[in-house]
Amino acid sequence: KAGVTQTPRYLIKTRGQQVTLSCSPISGHRSVSWYQQTPGQGLQFLFEYFSETQRNKGNFPGRFSGRQFSNSRSEMNVSTLELGDSALYLCASSLDGRTYNQPQHFGDGTRLSIL
Amino acid sequence: QKEVEQNSGPLSVPEGAIASLNCTYSDRGSQSFFWYRQYSGKSPELIMFIYSNGDKEDGRFTAQLNKASQYVSLLIRDSQPSDSATYLCAVEGAQKLVFGQGTRLTINP
Repeated sequence: KAGVTQTPRYLIKTRGQQVTLSCSPISGHRSVSWYQQTPGQGLQFLFEYFSETQRNKGNFPGRFSGRQFSNSRSEMNVSTLELGDSALYLCASSLDGRTYNQPQHFGDGTRLSIL
Repeated sequence: QKEVEQNSGPLSVPEGAIASLNCTYSDRGSQSFFWYRQYSGKSPELIMFIYSNGDKEDGRFTAQLNKASQYVSLLIRDSQPSDSATYLCAVEGAQKLVFGQGTRLTINP
């Protein structure tokens, strides 16, 4: 069974640009969550999608947005990139998410570098 | 107070010994607890999850949960050099997973 797939693996952008990251969950998983990981802040929750609806959102500015498609694939967008957005962006999927006791499985992440 | 706290380490343990990793959390309503292992440059990998008070064993790993004390731990028996990694404690809270900063574990041959 294929795991969570994130593309691209690496990305280099400059300040002011925007970026879109993609995540394909494990087959059958309908909940997709996004996290930002930096050395200073650790793993921080961005948002979670289930059945194409954003159910929960972390404390990030509106420049960070996402969406989920009918096949459960998800995209995350960051506009007007800042140097501080340099991080590893991780996507995690879980089976159902109707309860929140479902283990989440992570993809390999997209490492975003802002110059 | 941070929602999930872990000792950042580094924690150094000799090969073959028991490594003990600890985590405390602030939300008394949390019901689900997870341990992830993250190798340098890699993504987190789920090792254990526990929902009920007490111990849960899986091979060399044992997760322990004490909801009254708001404490969860991970024991690694017969530690191997391949266990050297950062271990992340995650707690379900406010309908999302909240992660600790992680404990860096080094197993010395």
